[in-house]
Amino acid sequence: EDQVTQSPEALRLQEGESSSLNCSYTVSGLRGLFWYRQDPGKGPEFLFTLYSAGEEKEKERLKATLTKKESFLHITAPKPEDSATYLCAAPGFGNEKLTFGTGTRLTIIP
Amino acid sequence: GAVVSQHPSRVICKSGTSVKIECRSLDFQATTMFWYRQFPKQSLMLMATSNEGSKATYEQGVEKDKFLINHASLTLSTLTVTSAHPEDSSFYICSATSGLYEQYFGPGTRLTVT
Repeated sequence: EDQVTQSPEALRLQEGESSSLNCSYTVSGLRGLFWYRQDPGKGPEFLFTLYSAGEEKEKERLKATLTKKESFLHITAPKPEDSATYLCAAPGFGNEKLTFGTGTRLTIIP
Repeated sequence: GAVVSQHPSRVICKSGTSVKIECRSLDFQATTMFWYRQFPKQSLMLMATSNEGSKATYEQGVEKDKFLINHASLTLSTLTVTSAHPEDSSFYICSATSGLYEQYFGPGTRLTVT
């Protein structure tokens, strides 16, 4: 069964304190690993797609990396506006449905 | 690019009435659209997958007669919650894909049934 697991469940950081969020997956024939950001009361906002081990993508203070078993979302010198829930997801084998992790609630304290 | 809209953003209805939620892909043609439900502090729960011009595929445990999905065109899908009850109150989110695996999400619709 396809599984996507995120850790930690919640993370509180001081402004400027860098850290990483983890997403581990067991998906047959991985065809992409996606990261989304979700603010309260809003739909998820697409951030990154990673397709192969070793791939990295960056956007502002965020950098996503992928290995054969997990992905990391690194946040460098975060600001309060980076506070959100970060979700990772992967499509299952043979279909377009996404299996989502339960998310990491990130809080950046000014 | 890849913008998905939903309407309405919030709706309050009385128990027993039906509510329709629209999902539109604004700048691309969506071969597949998805409908999710999300409870507070929980992750997204897939309800159904719809392809243009064909019947929706519902996830196990989702009542197809209560949650009617129509995908009439490559840019529009609708979810109708029939005979709504307070337990149907939730945050409903649609997403769309153009054939690749990336899904782009709408802003969500908050349904409250009184």
